[in-house]
Amino acid sequence: DSGVTQTPKHLITATGQRVTLRCSPRSGDLSVYWYQQSLDQGLQFLIQYYNGEERAKGNILERFSAQQFPDLHSELNLSSLELGDSALYFCASSVGGTANTGELFFGEGSRLTVL
Amino acid sequence: GQNIDQPTEMTATEGAIVQINCTYQTSGFNGLFWYQQHAGEAPTFLSYNVLDGLEEKGRFSSFLSRSKGYSYLLLKELQMKDSASYLCAGLFGGYQKVTFGTGTKLQVIP
Repeated sequence: DSGVTQTPKHLITATGQRVTLRCSPRSGDLSVYWYQQSLDQGLQFLIQYYNGEERAKGNILERFSAQQFPDLHSELNLSSLELGDSALYFCASSVGGTANTGELFFGEGSRLTVL
Repeated sequence: GQNIDQPTEMTATEGAIVQINCTYQTSGFNGLFWYQQHAGEAPTFLSYNVLDGLEEKGRFSSFLSRSKGYSYLLLKELQMKDSASYLCAGLFGGYQKVTFGTGTKLQVIP
């Protein structure tokens, strides 16, 4: 158990819909990362937050948005869903900041299927 | 950019040794991770290299050359359960952005 909690574990929805994926980082971790992993693909970096602020952005679509709340949990919002958005979405956390060893602790992922 | 390159697939025999290479762009580089990922599961941490040289941890070792932008993961005494994807990831920049390569899918055969 990494200490990172993601919900829901599985989600099936239709094209055009909107979903919200939730992540609770490990206790004490300030950084949250979101990654997308399509079938048999690598981890694509979407976005990183540190203590509530956006710190780095990857190839995140405009239809996607995220935020980190004061209690440090994070949500990834995916809207106007397309078939190609079907993927495993991972959240990871780390201590963050200058004391950061950098090690990421991953949640078990949210598997999104768009029909 | 921080392009991370590693081979897509490798096959090795049970009991043998395999080396998985990874290259990266050195700009803003801070450190290099290796993660293991079984299909459909979350990646799990294997190693982290900051300084040049070899770090050994049981059957797994990881090597880093910062000047060459090169790392490798060495797996000894391969077991069937080592069949998985091995992800090379670089830590870049002041904000510690972690960028992953596409992963190397290792198949261990009897």
